[in-house]
Amino acid sequence: GAVVSQHPSWVICKSGTSVKIECRSLDFQATTMFWYRQFPKQSLMLMATSNEGSKATYEQGVEKDKFLINHASLTLSTLTVTSAHPEDSSFYICSARDSGSAPQETQYFGPGTRLLVL
Amino acid sequence: AQSVTQPDIHITVSEGASLELRCNYSYGATPYLFWYVQSPGQGLQLLLKYFSGDTLVQGIKGFEAEFKRSQSSFNLRKPSVHWSDAAEYFCAVGAAGGGNKLTFGTGTQLKVEL
Repeated sequence: GAVVSQHPSWVICKSGTSVKIECRSLDFQATTMFWYRQFPKQSLMLMATSNEGSKATYEQGVEKDKFLINHASLTLSTLTVTSAHPEDSSFYICSARDSGSAPQETQYFGPGTRLLVL
Repeated sequence: AQSVTQPDIHITVSEGASLELRCNYSYGATPYLFWYVQSPGQGLQLLLKYFSGDTLVQGIKGFEAEFKRSQSSFNLRKPSVHWSDAAEYFCAVGAAGGGNKLTFGTGTQLKVEL
């Protein structure tokens, strides 16, 4: 149980284009999902908290117009990197909090999406 | 603000040897504590978690961790390491009712010598 998927697993795009990454909870409902960014050999940096049916909450220093988050259903959150540039190249990981379990603080992580912007 | 320190960036152990990965946290109240493992190019897999109760927590793959409030520590242990345990290990702390945000340590890279 508690499986989270991400799609695509890797993507290469040209500078200036937009890229959408999907995060799905496969066997549970998630009112809250999280988006992280991880640079090579570094820890995870929380970018934003995605709440179903409401606006995402962004961490300080993260441009919300650059990283658009939509949490349209209890099993799907999307991250769109708009007008991507080479410095946006990174490993993006999502996690989901199981709404039906108690306590709810456990986050289950997806396999990540590697983005390379040329 | 909560924080997590993993003092060891790299650790090398021989297969079959015991393992202890250190984790110290800073948080004003009772924290929620987690250990995750990440293989290269992969997401994070939950090894174990502590919310309350018994301070010795058993996880998957033969791992265990002990919460020591007096030392603000949550060290991860395994009595006999297997070559497949080679990976990056992250300790994380979450605030009870604090928006479920996790703060991660910088990770410990485990290498297993055959």
